[in-house]
Amino acid sequence: SQELEQSPQSLIVQEGKNLTINCTSSKTLYGLYWYKQKYGEGLIFLMMLQKGGEEKSHEKITAKLDEKKQQSSLHITASQPSHAGIYLCGAPHGSSNTGKLIFGQGTTLQVKP
Amino acid sequence: DSGVTQTPKHLITATGQRVTLRCSPRSGDLSVYWYQQSLDQGLQFLIQYYNGEERAKGNILERFSAQQFPDLHSELNLSSLELGDSALYFCASSPGTSGGARETQYFGPGTRLLVL
Repeated sequence: SQELEQSPQSLIVQEGKNLTINCTSSKTLYGLYWYKQKYGEGLIFLMMLQKGGEEKSHEKITAKLDEKKQQSSLHITASQPSHAGIYLCGAPHGSSNTGKLIFGQGTTLQVKP
Repeated sequence: DSGVTQTPKHLITATGQRVTLRCSPRSGDLSVYWYQQSLDQGLQFLIQYYNGEERAKGNILERFSAQQFPDLHSELNLSSLELGDSALYFCASSPGTSGGARETQYFGPGTRLLVL
């Protein structure tokens, strides 16, 4: 079965620093979603990538999809305390025409002021 | 606010009991999804409904069942509860025009279930 592995599992950065979170799939990616979660709360949608080479940005967060490497990266520029939380990548399960998503285990980000 | 609502927010019950979690999708969304999030298993897909019909199933236990009603709200029923069922249960919704594939899923705030 398909698995998503996120690295690093946790990250502590100084405010203002850049950081990157990776999400690697064990099988072919048919799209990739990034969500942010505050501990114990719901998931907030960040971005969806559908095609290899696609790159999207929202404010200071940029995500890319590398189909060949079966990997996506999430990059935060000039991190702020508001970026703290758990970042989760999710992907469609195989090439199915349903909405079934599998998720990585999450990356916990702390931003020190 | 995603527009997806879930009730109750918290639920404390005993082993062997049965509970019902409720979800109202975003206005206009036809697909509803249920996920379970626990410390050891992470976020796991349970089941998807599209316009009242079951569309996809994950590793949902036989003790768990779900349905989607004509007004599109959904309920997840958990029975014969065990300690290991303690988790956060999320509902998500999407338009469902492509069966849910390649659509953004918007998550509700979750129901935190504690089984004692």
